[in-house]
Amino acid sequence: AQSVAQPEDQVNVAEGNPLTVKCTYSVSGNPYLFWYVQYPNRGLQFLLKYITGDNLVKGSYGFEAEFNKSQTSFHLKKPSALVSDSALYFCAVSSGSGYSTLTFGKGTMLLVSP
Amino acid sequence: ETGVTQTPRHLVMGMTNKKSLKCEQHLGHNAMYWYKQSAKKPLELMFVYNFKEQTENNSVPSRFSPECPNSSHLFLHLHTLQPEDSALYLCASRDTAGSSTYEQYFGPGTRLTVT
Repeated sequence: AQSVAQPEDQVNVAEGNPLTVKCTYSVSGNPYLFWYVQYPNRGLQFLLKYITGDNLVKGSYGFEAEFNKSQTSFHLKKPSALVSDSALYFCAVSSGSGYSTLTFGKGTMLLVSP
Repeated sequence: ETGVTQTPRHLVMGMTNKKSLKCEQHLGHNAMYWYKQSAKKPLELMFVYNFKEQTENNSVPSRFSPECPNSSHLFLHLHTLQPEDSALYLCASRDTAGSSTYEQYFGPGTRLTVT
């Protein structure tokens, strides 16, 4: 079975400061890892993914994430937060094989204050 | 979000009503998914269709009945729902035939309220 843990229900950061949203995972085999963002009354929007290759992956809106195999983590980061980054962030994992499905974390609310 | 559309965006129904949710994807994908998103809970996968065939039913009560007439359209038929079924229902699609895309693309969701 695969699982995702997002240990923080909410992360608060001031605009202009760096942000980190934490994610750890458990999966059999090589992990396929994803971050999604959800704005109010909207669906989930794909941000970035790690499949293979460089451990640091870059995605939309200046976000990046670092894959750490030994710590089974895939934390989302951004060097300088914007108020408009305030939203609900989901980490997800898949085993990647065939028709394997995504398992999502419970989500972390990011609040960026002006 | 324009790649995956969902209608209606909001639905209020009584427990004895029958209604349907519709999802359409314009991305040429071959897999489609229904998820349930309730407050304070992780996304729950409900159903998966690949090339119009149901490949996963995640122990969903029979009062939810999916239908996938082709790879672009997905329906969720609802009947005799319970108040605890009130949630945001999300549709997603994915290209499982491609070799380099693994992410799912989501529609905006239908906010369902059962009274």
